[in-house]
Amino acid sequence: DARVTQTPRHKVTEMGQEVTMRCQPILGHNTVFWYRQTMMQGLELLAYFRNRAPLDDSGMPKDRFSAEMPDATLATLKIQPSEPRDSAVYFCASGLVLSSYNEQFFGPGTRLTVL
Amino acid sequence: GDSVTQMEGPVTLSEEAFLTINCTYTATGYPSLFWYVQYPGEGLQLLLKATKADDKGSNKGFEATYRKETTSFHLEKGSVQVSDSAVYFCALGGSSGGSNYKLTFGKGTLLTVNP
Repeated sequence: DARVTQTPRHKVTEMGQEVTMRCQPILGHNTVFWYRQTMMQGLELLAYFRNRAPLDDSGMPKDRFSAEMPDATLATLKIQPSEPRDSAVYFCASGLVLSSYNEQFFGPGTRLTVL
Repeated sequence: GDSVTQMEGPVTLSEEAFLTINCTYTATGYPSLFWYVQYPGEGLQLLLKATKADDKGSNKGFEATYRKETTSFHLEKGSVQVSDSAVYFCALGGSSGGSNYKLTFGKGTLLTVNP
């Protein structure tokens, strides 16, 4: 049963600390997405990759957030320095782009709390 | 640009009641349409999809028909169960040709089903 995995599932940190979230997409998928979910803003797309190349990171605060795919089995989202307003659930999703539709498969999320 | 509007929640129903969650969209091309469901503490899961006009997506007793003339994709279920309590997201994707891999999500509708 192929699924997207994310680590850690929960993270509590203090303001100013670096946070790294990891995602393992489903094997064979060629697109990876990072989302942030909060009560106030709902689901926001932060960045996405195709074939490991960043295609769009316009949803991401550039000064503190960075997203990378060092290889096809790992995507990372880093926040440095973290701030209390970054507290949210961060989801990774992967997909295989086909000509007819672009379904995404979501991981379980990383719940981040910045104190 | 593409957008999705879904009915505001929360929606509260009694078990075995009929469910409708409205979703309308704006898109320039021919998007695919999706309903995702998010159970408490979990990531989003694909519930059903439709890739072209007049297609009907169905899964677990839920149905939605892709109506191009009314730009709608309303979610329905004839008899809800307590286990259907979740947040439901309408989404569209792929309307701008092969280079658009993003999904545009609605804000989500919280459904609570009481015994």
